[in-house]
Amino acid sequence: GAGVSQSPSNKVTEKGKDVELRCDPISGHTALYWYRQSLGQGLEFLIYFQGNSAPDKSGLPSDRFSAERTGGSVSTLTIQRTQQEDSAVYLCASSFTSGTAGELFFGEGSRLTVL
Amino acid sequence: AQSVTQLDSQVPVFEEAPVELRCNYSSSVSVYLFWYVQYPNQGLQLLLKYLSGSTLVKGINGFEAEFNKSQTSFHLRKPSVHISDTAEYFCAVSDTGGGNKLTFGTGTQLKVEL
Repeated sequence: GAGVSQSPSNKVTEKGKDVELRCDPISGHTALYWYRQSLGQGLEFLIYFQGNSAPDKSGLPSDRFSAERTGGSVSTLTIQRTQQEDSAVYLCASSFTSGTAGELFFGEGSRLTVL
Repeated sequence: AQSVTQLDSQVPVFEEAPVELRCNYSSSVSVYLFWYVQYPNQGLQLLLKYLSGSTLVKGINGFEAEFNKSQTSFHLRKPSVHISDTAEYFCAVSDTGGGNKLTFGTGTQLKVEL
């Protein structure tokens, strides 16, 4: 399809394990974002990639979280030594650069459950 | 830095009734404002946005919102709701300085009943 694709859609893991979440943005979109959606807390910004610029990591909650974007396209969000408070839906979005301000296209998310 | 407040976590309304979902923001710089909608088991999609110009903006599915700078508000309205409008609605803000990093509110669950 032409939309933002995320995998896995659901992931159950044990506390202390590492997880990787993948995002495939819309072709041609230069910006990619990761957000976390927790019950009752709205969407929390995690990290933002724009072209070849250094990513904005200001939203990452701890050093257990990291993300990379290879070749300006696919992104992987990695959570090391998962904790129960990491349980949430992780949303990826992509967009063009300025000119379409605010029009982010979201994937359906990856639901992470840490037991 | 910006912040967004959506005071109503849930809004129940009967079908064909009007609805208003409230959004207030805080920012020290000029902002763009947005409403996104999330239908059950789907990703978020843009409903409408205010960038500049007319303070009344119209979006998809008959929704509209009015930017009020003095009250730092961007309330979402629809004159007559339908069952299919049942969804979660998120207000968001970004600064006008470039980039599309959005700060979201906590969301309002709109439940339309017969």
